[in-house]
Amino acid sequence: NAGVTQTPKFQVLKTGQSMTLQCAQDMNHNSMYWYRQDPGMGLRLIYYSASEGTTDKGEVPNGYNVSRLNKREFSLRLESAAPSQTSVYFCASSELTGFGANVLTFGAGSRLTVL
Amino acid sequence: GNSVTQMEGPVTLSEEAFLTINCTYTATGYPSLFWYVQYPGEGLQLLLKATKADDKGSNKGFEATYRKETTSFHLEKGSVQVSDSAVYFCALNGNGGFKTIFGAGTRLFVKA
Repeated sequence: NAGVTQTPKFQVLKTGQSMTLQCAQDMNHNSMYWYRQDPGMGLRLIYYSASEGTTDKGEVPNGYNVSRLNKREFSLRLESAAPSQTSVYFCASSELTGFGANVLTFGAGSRLTVL
Repeated sequence: GNSVTQMEGPVTLSEEAFLTINCTYTATGYPSLFWYVQYPGEGLQLLLKATKADDKGSNKGFEATYRKETTSFHLEKGSVQVSDSAVYFCALNGNGGFKTIFGAGTRLFVKA
């Protein structure tokens, strides 16, 4: 059972280049998320998708776009990378039922460096 | 808005020492509270959770009690092991919503 799979694991970009981070989950979860992790700041939500066909902004959406391709896949795109987007990116998924706690399952992360 | 504050690290302990990592929160209503752990080179994984006041979450010898009167969810373990070395994140989620708020993380080093 792979859980949440992210690609690539590492990427170096030059300022202004574009790239897409891919994420897929095999747990049949409805909801998917993209977070970024920066030292001393914990994880901050970039975008999320409550269900297939919907996407919403999180805390730090500027400079990013997302696509919920189908129930399994949720991609994050940087159209014109900036050094401030150097970070570790995590994809997560959850089965939000409206009752109880929303437990997130995370991928292993993608380390992005923008020069 | 909702927020989570946890003690700054790093925390360095000897094996078999007692661990406490403090976490306090600000939230409206009755959020669910979590501790996630991140081992080196990996993503976060759920360690334990509590969904209502006075609930105690526990897993792998770790415990945390949801204290609404002090808005706290401190993580404790009676005897740490080298394998517990990781970064620990306190988090909250309001009323089962989509936006989970994370603390800054506390790095724990355990020496043999």
